[in-house]
Amino acid sequence: GQQLNQSPQSMFIQEGEDVSMNCTSSSIFNTWLWYKQDPGEGPVLLIALYKAGELTSNGRLTAQFGITRKDSFLNISASIPSDVGIYFCAGQLGMNNAGNMLTFGGGTRLMVKP
Amino acid sequence: DTAVSQTPKYLVTQMGNDKSIKCEQNLGHDTMYWYKQDSKKFLKIMFSYNNKELIINETVPNRFSPKSPDKAHLNLHINSLELGDSAVYFCASSQGQGRFFGPGTRLTVL
Repeated sequence: GQQLNQSPQSMFIQEGEDVSMNCTSSSIFNTWLWYKQDPGEGPVLLIALYKAGELTSNGRLTAQFGITRKDSFLNISASIPSDVGIYFCAGQLGMNNAGNMLTFGGGTRLMVKP
Repeated sequence: DTAVSQTPKYLVTQMGNDKSIKCEQNLGHDTMYWYKQDSKKFLKIMFSYNNKELIINETVPNRFSPKSPDKAHLNLHINSLELGDSAVYFCASSQGQGRFFGPGTRLTVL
């Protein structure tokens, strides 16, 4: 089956620093998604990427769909304490959702030093 | 308004019991899911249900069964609970891309 390797697994950063995390796959995906999970909550969609090479921003977050369609990265600029949480990448094969499974990476746990 | 809701939030039970977790979505989505998140935070799909089509992850024991009384609900029934079933279970729904997740149900089997 498909495997998504997400790195780093965890990281401490100073407030104000930029953060970068990435996800690589053994298979091609047609859609890449990035989620954030706060403690005690379900994952929330941050950014969705639909096209190889696509670069999309959402506030301080920027994500890119790798040109090979086997990888994606997420950058967070000027981190703040509320960025703490677990960030998940996810890959999906189809553009239409019904029945298409989402494969999740193992998560990057972000911890910010105040 | 809550988009995807689950009850209960916490569930503590003895090994061997049968339990259910309820899920409701008010987004009008056609597809609903159940995911299991283990202690290492790995998220694994258990079921996908779209109208009358149920797609089961083959690794899920048959003690787990989803039941959908209508399009807005997908409940999860678990028979003969085992210690290894302890995890956080997330319901989700979608219509197109991505998933909208519920807040999760933390199941602890003693």
